[in-house]
Amino acid sequence: SQQGEEDPQALSIQEGENATMNCSYKTSINNLQWYRQNSGRGLVHLILIRSNEREKHSGRLRVTLDTSKKSSSLLITASRAADTASYFCATATLTETSGSRLTFGEGTQLTVNP
Amino acid sequence: EAQVTQNPRYLITVTGKKLTVTCSQNMNHEYMSWYRQDPGLGLRQIYYSMNVEVTDKGDVPEGYKVSRKEKRNFPLILESPSPNQTSLYFCASSSHPPRPQHFGDGTRLSIL
Repeated sequence: SQQGEEDPQALSIQEGENATMNCSYKTSINNLQWYRQNSGRGLVHLILIRSNEREKHSGRLRVTLDTSKKSSSLLITASRAADTASYFCATATLTETSGSRLTFGEGTQLTVNP
Repeated sequence: EAQVTQNPRYLITVTGKKLTVTCSQNMNHEYMSWYRQDPGLGLRQIYYSMNVEVTDKGDVPEGYKVSRKEKRNFPLILESPSPNQTSLYFCASSSHPPRPQHFGDGTRLSIL
């Protein structure tokens, strides 16, 4: 079963606007990561937030984490056409057998119109 | 340049014809993993490896095999491919599982 679920599934905005994507998960996590995927390409890591952190910034990216609600959000400010991509959250959970595993959600397709 | 390399990038084949997708990383990572990506289902883990000679099943291992004889290589083997294995496959590596993973560019498999 999918640990992370993104919302919305698709988002279309104008260049210069902010884009917010949300992720909900079900179990306790070690950290939560956001990835970007351009069409037909591999995923690229964007930002990681640990379970004891509430907010993190990286350039135009801002990630928040609310462990009480088991949710995270990714904000992209001042969006550009080049930000058009799919964005995935992934939860890192600790397991007895493997030590840790990463579980991905289904992603949000972001389209930024010029 | 740090990278994960998958080959082939595209493959069209027929049911039952054994195939191997290779994956190699140059970052000396201990952890490697295979995922498949299908519309509406996101990425699902097939197999992973914590280190050389250590492999374990992910969420969807049926119909797949892997091996980890060397640290840098983690091939995915489909002994008898079937049409339901048509998908986009990604190999990824990490120094340690909670840390971010580096992904290859993907292999698009079509099984007819």
